[in-house]
Amino acid sequence: DSGVTQTPKHLITATGQRVTLRCSPRSGDLSVYWYQQSLDQGLQFLIQYYNGEERAKGNILERFSAQQFPDLHSELNLSSLELGDSALYFCASSSGASYNSPLHFGNGTRLTVT
Amino acid sequence: DQQVKQNSPSLSVQEGRISILNCDYTNSMFDYFLWYKKYPAEGPTFLISISSIKDKNEDGRFTVFLNKSAKHLSLHIVPSQPGDSAVYFCAASDGFGGNDMRFGAGTRLTVKP
Repeated sequence: DSGVTQTPKHLITATGQRVTLRCSPRSGDLSVYWYQQSLDQGLQFLIQYYNGEERAKGNILERFSAQQFPDLHSELNLSSLELGDSALYFCASSSGASYNSPLHFGNGTRLTVT
Repeated sequence: DQQVKQNSPSLSVQEGRISILNCDYTNSMFDYFLWYKKYPAEGPTFLISISSIKDKNEDGRFTVFLNKSAKHLSLHIVPSQPGDSAVYFCAASDGFGGNDMRFGAGTRLTVKP
C-alpha cells in the first residue's frame, strides 16, 4: 500500500461530459503529481502541485485543470471529454523534501469515455 | 516526445535465470534514473534508482547499471522469480521531484516457473 488514495477506481461517462478525479497523498507528502497512461503508452506527466501551488505543467490539455487544497488532497478536472481521453489516470505524491524523491503512486482511476 | 525509450514491450525468462530490462534516453541533462514495477490493477511502485554520479546500484536481487556515454541503463534481476512478473517502467529526471520525470512505455516481464 503506497498510502496514496485515488477515487473513483472506475469512471464511465459520455463524450462532452465533465468529471473530477480525486487524490489523497501519503501522509506528510507535500507534492502531488498527475499522470495519464493511455493504452500501451508510458506515463505522461500532466501537472504537479507543491503545498497548494502549481509547480510544473506537462502535456496537460486546456480542457483539463487541477488544484491542490489546503489539506493537500488534489483534484483533476476533465471537461468536454473526448473518446481519446479514455485512459488510466495516476496520482503520485512525494515529500518534495529532497532532490529526486521517488514518487509514490496511487492505484489509478480508469476513465472510459463512450 | 520520447525522451525515455524501452524498446522491448515484453520479455520472457525462466525462473532462476537472469532478467535484463533495457532503457535508453536522449536527454543528456537527465541525472537521476529510476525503475518502477507495476502489477495489474495497481499503481507503479518504486523499485530502485541510480544517480548519474554512479554506474551501478544494487539492492538484493536487483541491480541497475548506468552507461552515461551510451545514454543507456539496464535493470538486472537475478535470480528471477515468478513474482517478478510485472510491467517495469524506466524513468529519468533532470530536476526536482517529478516535474521533469519522464517515463518509458514499459516492458512486460514474464517469469515462467
